Amino acid sequence: GDSVTQMEGPVTLSEEAFLTINCTYTATGYPSLFWYVQYPGEGLQLLLKATKADDKGSNKGFEATYRKETTSFHLEKGSVQVSDSAVYFCALSDETSGSRLTFGEGTQLTVNP
Amino acid sequence: ETGVTQTPRHLVMGMTNKKSLKCEQHLGHNAMYWYKQSAKKPLELMFVYSLEERVENNSVPSRFSPECPNSSHLFLHLHTLQPEDSALYLCASRTLREGRSPLHFGNGTRLTVT
Repeated sequence: GDSVTQMEGPVTLSEEAFLTINCTYTATGYPSLFWYVQYPGEGLQLLLKATKADDKGSNKGFEATYRKETTSFHLEKGSVQVSDSAVYFCALSDETSGSRLTFGEGTQLTVNP
Repeated sequence: ETGVTQTPRHLVMGMTNKKSLKCEQHLGHNAMYWYKQSAKKPLELMFVYSLEERVENNSVPSRFSPECPNSSHLFLHLHTLQPEDSALYLCASRTLREGRSPLHFGNGTRLTVT
């Protein structure tokens, strides 16, 4: 079955540092890949997505590239801000999963001023 | 504004109470979901409704009873809950189109069972 593995947190960075959160996946089909962000007290929000190999999703300075050869979708940002402190979830959906999205366990990011 | 609205935002209930969580989506989606999010645990999928029919019931105890009267509304009826049911309950919706569309989440109901 499908699975998503995220790098373990928590991750603590100083403002303006470079961020990478690793995500690798296994899937039986050709999945779409997503990153979601959850700010304190809120639900999950879609941050970015990519639907096929070599696609790059980007939003709010965050980027992730769909790498089929390494089955990865790592999240990166060149210069984080305190307001980026949140929990980040990697997820996938493919034709064989029917109605289901498969989520990683989430990575807590804290950015200090 | 997420397009998916959940009420109430917070709920405290005793183990003998009966209450309901409500979710409403204005995005024209045809599938709705209930997730449970507990501290230090992965997201747990509870129920999925597609075109108002339940298509997935993920071994959820019968003290949780979902209802989907139309494609815009989803309820979770609660009765005789346990303290371990305290969690954030998230509603989500999507358009089921080749299984690749993203989920859109509400802000959740924070449930505390005393």
